[in-house]
Amino acid sequence: QVQLQQWGAGLLKPSETLSLTCGVFGGSFSGYYWSWIRQPPGKGLEWIGEINHSGSANYNPSLKSRVTISVDTSKNQISLKLTSVTAADTAVYYCARAALLYQIPYFIDVWGKGTTVTVSS
Amino acid sequence: EVVLTQSPGTLSLSLGERATLSCRASQRISSSYLVWYQQKPGQAPRVLIYGSSSRATGIPDRFSGSGSGTDFTLTISRLEPEDSAVYYCQQYAGVPRGTFGQGTKVEIK
Repeated sequence: QVQLQQWGAGLLKPSETLSLTCGVFGGSFSGYYWSWIRQPPGKGLEWIGEINHSGSANYNPSLKSRVTISVDTSKNQISLKLTSVTAADTAVYYCARAALLYQIPYFIDVWGKGTTVTVSS
Repeated sequence: EVVLTQSPGTLSLSLGERATLSCRASQRISSSYLVWYQQKPGQAPRVLIYGSSSRATGIPDRFSGSGSGTDFTLTISRLEPEDSAVYYCQQYAGVPRGTFGQGTKVEIK
């Protein structure tokens, strides 16, 4: 059964770069899209972006200028970088796997446990 | 840009009652790419319904989804105590793909 394990810095200062990594264990890495989703405290879910094993990435336009999602197929890992963070980027960040229909993601079937990231001076 | 609007914001019902949650898209989307999730406090979401009407593995049959075009519905036929949660719809059909609705909180009286 596939498991997603996330790690990265949990406390950042404004203007720093958020960096998280998600390791995929126990399942296939190809044939899915791998997503990052975040949830500010007490608020709803926000889709950040996704990438497949070939490195084809899509981003939320509202974050696109600051986000990079990358893949390391040799390690079965996906990474998220978000530059110039502010307090508004404080959230739980989830790594997730999206199943495909006709090569397009159509639902998330596996979630990581989430990483709490706090931005504070 | 596809925007999903969920209503109501909060639904307060008694055990055994029927819950009807709405998700409206700002433009027509393929029903194949409309998903419903349930999220309980402190937990990651879990998929309930994908392809607008297909129940995910292990999901009780009191959960059902329907809809097409711009209007989609999640129905919980008989509320159980464990159904108290926030429910989100998500779409993968439009641009940007992956967008979520703002959520509907279901409270059990």
